[in-house]
Amino acid sequence: DADVTQTPRNRITKTGKRIMLECSQTKGHDRMYWYRQDPGLGLRLIYYSFDVKDINKGEISDGYSVSRQAQAKFSLSLESAIPNQTALYFCATSDFPTGNYGYTFGSGTRLTVV
Amino acid sequence: SQQGEEDPQALSIQEGENATMNCSYKTSINNLQWYRQNSGRGLVHLILIRSNEREKHSGRLRVTLDTSKKSSSLLITASRAADTASYFCATDKTSGSEKLVFGKGTKLTVNP
Repeated sequence: DADVTQTPRNRITKTGKRIMLECSQTKGHDRMYWYRQDPGLGLRLIYYSFDVKDINKGEISDGYSVSRQAQAKFSLSLESAIPNQTALYFCATSDFPTGNYGYTFGSGTRLTVV
Repeated sequence: SQQGEEDPQALSIQEGENATMNCSYKTSINNLQWYRQNSGRGLVHLILIRSNEREKHSGRLRVTLDTSKKSSSLLITASRAADTASYFCATDKTSGSEKLVFGKGTKLTVNP
């Protein structure tokens, strides 16, 4: 099994629908992140969590919400999906401050809003 | 906002040649990391260099960091077709709370 698992891998949804992207990890890391990737824009941080009770907004949190259900699970919700939220979404974990600080990424969820 | 900017945006070379990618950033950092992304897949951590280090090696990878110029370079020696991917630098700002800011990436194509 992958260290960081994202579901679903692909999703097509309609404008206005609420959708949840899920992320689970077996790394035992406290820190988890959600990024979105758009062509030509690189990765941008949506939300991040340093532990179950510590959740923070990233640079593009509008229109998104998150839930950290457990150390291993971090879900991203689009409250009312719109077409410009079409993107590739990545979940990542970090072993900061105990390890080498490198992030472990999931395989991504490709979301299309029509 | 992007902290790091990679240069060039795209690079095409022949197998066996060396590939050099550059990253410039704007503010002081704790460390700088390089990642690889195969098309549409998750990013894979390659190497981390701390702000007090100047050079680091890992296999065919060599990373340099010049904090006075706020720049880093990633050198891949003796490239292979399997090195074809996008490469991103990411920085952890000293004033931040340990969250990486990624550049837009360099798309490397290694032709057989």
